[in-house]
Parts: sequence; structure tokens; C-alpha cells
Amino acid sequence: EAGVVQSPRYKIIEKKQPVAFWCNPISGHNTLYWYRQNLGQGPELLIRYENEEAVDDSQLPKDRFSAERLKGVDSTLKIQPAELGDSAVYLCASSRSPGSSLYEQYFGPGTRLTVT
Amino acid sequence: GDSVTQMEGPVTLSEEAFLTINCTYTATGYPSLFWYVQYPGEGLQLLLKATKADDKGSNKGFEATYRKETTSFHLEKGSVQVSDSAVYFCALSFNKLIFGAGTRLAVHP
Repeated sequence: EAGVVQSPRYKIIEKKQPVAFWCNPISGHNTLYWYRQNLGQGPELLIRYENEEAVDDSQLPKDRFSAERLKGVDSTLKIQPAELGDSAVYLCASSRSPGSSLYEQYFGPGTRLTVT
Repeated sequence: GDSVTQMEGPVTLSEEAFLTINCTYTATGYPSLFWYVQYPGEGLQLLLKATKADDKGSNKGFEATYRKETTSFHLEKGSVQVSDSAVYFCALSFNKLIFGAGTRLAVHP
């Protein structure tokens, strides 16, 4: 079974530029998550999708961040414009169902963003 | 709000030493508890989990017991190997994962 795929793995941009990250979850996983992991910290949830619907985006900075999950499969996370403080690793994860008591999430390798 | 506190690293051990990484949590209710591991250059992987009080999660020689009375989920391994060198994250979940800051483990031959 293929894991969660993310691209690109690394991205360096100048501040004020736009950037986008792509995620392909594990086949059959209805729930998709985007996390941000700052250096030396644990991941923090940005947004959670159930199929096409964003059900938890309370931590997403909506003035500059946007996300979409068309057709309930792949997802894209965008930042426009990027700021220096956005430098971090952006992780995508997927799971079969949030209703499961096991609630196991599978993580992709992440995209390391550096804003200069 | 809900939160997870882990012991600060780095933790440096010699091969075959005993490992303990402390984790305590604050939550309203009884969440599921997890340990994730992040090997160098790789994504987060689930190491073990426990879904109710007194459950013991185990995997690859690692163990952790869900202690409701002390709100803890300490990670232990009896004999670490160099290949265990990684960053370990404790996490809780009701309907979303909340992670601790991570503890870096370095095991030397």
C-alpha cells in the first residue's frame, strides 16, 4: 500500500511570494489533515477535511492560507503571500475515519519551506 | 485547553541502556494516547497507542501504559539500539491529534 505522498519535498521562496503544497492521501482514506511543524516543536493542525468538506480550520490563518480538496482525494495548501514566519515543515496526513477509536493517522514526509 | 508535556531532550544513551521518556497530558475527559516516532529524513510513524485507562501499548520493544490517575503515558524500552535514534512525540486525541514538543533520542555504540 502506497503511503501519503507530498510534493515538493523542499521549497525556498522569497517573502511575499506565493507557494503551494500538494498531498495525495492513502487510497480509501476519507479524512485528510494538514499540519505545520515549526523547528523543535510538535506538529499543529491547520485544517482537517472529511471528504471534500473542511470540518476544522480553526487554526488556519485565513488571511494568507487557503486549502482545497477537490473530489475528496488530493489536496493543495497555499500561502499567499508568504512571510518569514511561515518557514516550517508542512505535513499532510490521512486516516480512514475520525470516528474510529483507534484514530490512526498516517503521515507523509512533509514539505520543508524556507522563506528568505 | 488540552495539552501534552514531554521531557526535554536531547536524551543521550549508550546502546543497551534503559530508556524512559516522560509524557503527561492535560485533558477534559479520557483521550486516546499515542507515541509517534520521526526517524531522520522520514515522516512521522505511529509507534504505539492506548485507547483507555490501564491499556498498555507496545511495539518494537517499546511500551507505554495509560495511567489515568497520574495523567501519564511514559515511553520505555529495556535495551535501546543505535537504530532507535530519532525524535519521539507523545500525543493525545479526542477528534484531533495534539502533540507534545518532541524528545530527541541519540543512542551511541
